Amino acid sequence: SYVLTQPPSVSVAPGRTARIACGGNNIGSESVHWYQQKPGQAPVLVIYYDSSRPSRIPERFSGSNSGNTATLTISRVEAGDEADYYCQVWDSSSDHPNWVFGGGTKLTVL
Amino acid sequence: QVQLVQSGAEVKKPGASVKVSCKTSGYTFTNSAITWVRQAPGQGPEWMGWISTSNDDTNYTQKIQGRVTMTTDTSTSTAYMELRSLTSDDTAIYYCATAATVTSPFDYWGQGTLVSVSS
Repeated sequence: SYVLTQPPSVSVAPGRTARIACGGNNIGSESVHWYQQKPGQAPVLVIYYDSSRPSRIPERFSGSNSGNTATLTISRVEAGDEADYYCQVWDSSSDHPNWVFGGGTKLTVL
Repeated sequence: QVQLVQSGAEVKKPGASVKVSCKTSGYTFTNSAITWVRQAPGQGPEWMGWISTSNDDTNYTQKIQGRVTMTTDTSTSTAYMELRSLTSDDTAIYYCATAATVTSPFDYWGQGTLVSVSS
C-alpha cells in the first residue's frame, strides 16, 4: 500500500514561514489534500488538489507537489496556526483502492 | 451554512455493535456523498468508507469490510455508520464528512463521536 511520510514536528517563530513536507513514491503524480486539526476538534480541509484553497482558508496557506514530495506552506505564521497537519492521497494502485493519510506533523509556533 | 451533527459518545463492550448518526443541514443532502473516518487516541485519521447519498453505493476499506454498514435516510438528511463485533482496537473518535465522490477531498466534517470499547 502507498505510504505517506511526514516529519513528526515543525517549529517556527511567529511571522515566519512554515513548510511541512509529505513524502511518497512519485507523489507528484497524485493529488494531495491537506487537513489542519487543532486539539479536540475535527480536521479542516486547508488545501485540496495539491494547491487549491477553500474560500474560508486564509491566503497564507498554499501547497505544491512535485517529484517525491508535496509541501504545505504557511506564510506569516500566527499562534492560531498551531495544530497537527495531515496530508492525504487516494491510493488507486492496490487491489483495494483506499484513502491514505500521512502520520501527521505537529506545528509549534514558538 | 453546512453542518454535520453527530450522535453522542458511546461505551460498548467487546463483541457489541455501535451505530453512529450524522445529521446534515445547510446543503442538498443528495448533492454530496458521506465519508467516514476514525481516529484512535494519539493517532492519525483512518478512512473507513464512503456512501453515495444519491444511490446508496458504498465503498468500504478492506480492513473493516464485513463488520461495517453505512446507510442514509434522505427524508431526514442523515447518514449512519454501524460497526459490529467491536474490539478494543475500535476505540476511536468517529467522524463523518462530505465528499463529492469517493475520490474527492473531505469538505466539511462532523464534530466527531467517541466510541470506547472496554470490558
